[in-house]
Amino acid sequence: NAGVTQTPKFRVLKTGQSMTLLCAQDMNHEYMYWYRQDPGMGLRLIHYSVGEGTTAKGEVPDGYNVSRLKKQNFLLGLESAAPSQTSVYFCASNGESGANVLTFGAGSRLTVL
Amino acid sequence: EDKVVQSPLSLVVHEGDTVTLNCSYEVTNFRSLLWYKQEKKAPTFLFMLTSSGIEKKSGRLSSILDKKELFSILNITATQTGDSAVYLCAGDPGGYQKVTFGTGTKLQVIP
Repeated sequence: NAGVTQTPKFRVLKTGQSMTLLCAQDMNHEYMYWYRQDPGMGLRLIHYSVGEGTTAKGEVPDGYNVSRLKKQNFLLGLESAAPSQTSVYFCASNGESGANVLTFGAGSRLTVL
Repeated sequence: EDKVVQSPLSLVVHEGDTVTLNCSYEVTNFRSLLWYKQEKKAPTFLFMLTSSGIEKKSGRLSSILDKKELFSILNITATQTGDSAVYLCAGDPGGYQKVTFGTGTKLQVIP
């Protein structure tokens, strides 16, 4: 089972460039999430989705956009990258509405110069 | 604002030692406390605790929740080098609501 797959695993961007991170899950999960992880800050929720076609803002949504056109995919976009967006990004999914036991992807390390 | 605080931030122990990791939480409409282990990549689920005083156990790892004191501990006995990781706890209100993660405890087990 692939579980949750993120692409790309690494990316270096220049300030102002745009990019999209792709998350794909093969577990038929309804709920999907994008987190960022920074030293000393823990995992912080960027955006999440409770089903195909729906998205919502998390704790730190500014500078990011998301789309969930298909149930298995959740895309995170950076329209104009900033150095403050240098981070490790994790996608996660959850198939249960009653408890948020998350299955995480392997992470995508993004560096913005 | 919801908050989860873990202590210590890091610790180094020798193989065979027993360690206790701490997690305190303030989470509105709290439903459960989650523990994850993060090695080099993705966090992996360890335990979900919903009831006070009931220990959950998996091999050498165990965890318990105190809902009165808003506190949980994760114990690891007879530590091995493979236990080296960052251990994350998270407060979960359940449903669609946001899970709040602590910053983690970095455990290093040396031979």
